[in-house]
Amino acid sequence: GQNIDQPTEMTATEGAIVQINCTYQTSGFNGLFWYQQHAGEAPTFLSYNVLDGLEEKGRFSSFLSRSKGYSYLLLKELQMKDSASYLCAVSDSNYQLIWGAGTKLIIKP
Amino acid sequence: NAGVTQTPKFRVLKTGQSMTLLCAQDMNHEYMYWYRQDPGMGLRLIHYSVGEGTTAKGEVPDGYNVSRLKKQNFLLGLESAAPSQTSVYFCALSSGSGADTQYFGPGTRLTVL
Repeated sequence: GQNIDQPTEMTATEGAIVQINCTYQTSGFNGLFWYQQHAGEAPTFLSYNVLDGLEEKGRFSSFLSRSKGYSYLLLKELQMKDSASYLCAVSDSNYQLIWGAGTKLIIKP
Repeated sequence: NAGVTQTPKFRVLKTGQSMTLLCAQDMNHEYMYWYRQDPGMGLRLIHYSVGEGTTAKGEVPDGYNVSRLKKQNFLLGLESAAPSQTSVYFCALSSGSGADTQYFGPGTRLTVL
């Protein structure tokens, strides 16, 4: 079967750095997405990786290793507004997205 | 999420009642999706459409029907609601296949008693 694993919850301090990991086992791979979802709101796109390596976008970076079935989202200079759930999703061989359950990130002052 | 709207935002149904959820877009995207989101689980695809007049089943299609008569609208129907269909429903759209970014509507929170 297809599976995406992420930690359920993480806590970090304002101003610090946090890394959210995602491991996947899917039938085929056509890219990995990270989305942010604030409580009670819709998911919004953060990043897309299809090749190995690091993609940097401001305070957020996303890394992919296809051989290891592994990705991480790195958030720097954490702000209170970064408190949200972070969803990892993989596009499989049928170009359908398989979603992880999400990681709830709690930022403490 | 400008360009994607969902109607209604909230709804409470009794078991056995029917309802239709509407997703409307003005982004001219071909692909549209209906997902449900339940606590502790990832988003699960119910049905999707790759263009006007087309629909296809996703991971959890049972108990739901869909129609895409116009490109800009994607309807999700529950013919006989069950408590297991209590969930938050999200519509999403993309310009192409699952390797393209999906844009989500604000969601519909449905409770079935």
